[in-house]
Amino acid sequence: DAKTTQPNSMESNEEEPVHLPCNHSTISGTDYIHWYRQLPSQGPEYVIHGLTSNVNNRMASLAIAEDRKSSTLILHRATLRDAAVYYCTQMNYGGATNKLIFGTGTLLAVQP
Amino acid sequence: NAGVMQNPRHLVRRRGQEARLRCSPMKGHSHVYWYRQLPEEGLKFMVYLQKENIIDESGMPKERFSAEFPKEGPSILRIQQVVRGDSAAYFCASSPRLIDGYTFGSGTRLTVV
Repeated sequence: DAKTTQPNSMESNEEEPVHLPCNHSTISGTDYIHWYRQLPSQGPEYVIHGLTSNVNNRMASLAIAEDRKSSTLILHRATLRDAAVYYCTQMNYGGATNKLIFGTGTLLAVQP
Repeated sequence: NAGVMQNPRHLVRRRGQEARLRCSPMKGHSHVYWYRQLPEEGLKFMVYLQKENIIDESGMPKERFSAEFPKEGPSILRIQQVVRGDSAAYFCASSPRLIDGYTFGSGTRLTVV
């Protein structure tokens, strides 16, 4: 199963940018990088995904290293509602199955 | 467009009973996934289904657990003869295509007493 490594926890101040790192050194050429977040007592929420190029959406930006062995999720202005566990995952579309394998994630605390 | 609907939200079962967890994917989504989250642990993949077919059940315990996604109706995760170790949050997710992100439901919290 694909492995990603993330820091256990990070802290940020409200209205400041947050950069959440992820290492995926065993990534293959057809693996997409997905990010999800989970608030307490809720289901995970899709944040963003990408393959090679940097990606932007209304929630965040995803910066993917040129060698694709790492990526960074960027929250441009953290709010208190962004406090959650953030999961970086890989998905391989090469075969018939495309399951996401979640690691332990990064617990993001946002201080007012 | 309603999101992924899971019911019940909370389910209490005595040891030895059966638990049936239901998941209605988003409209237009034909791929369904079930995950389990034990207390203070991460999300563990259980099974991936498309209509009437189990595609990948590599995360399902070999005994007592089964899943289906019939042509009509919701996907069902069935746990027979529940034990205390089955107490967990069970999440269902769906996606419209293989390359898309998942939409998760709010989960069913199973407590075995």
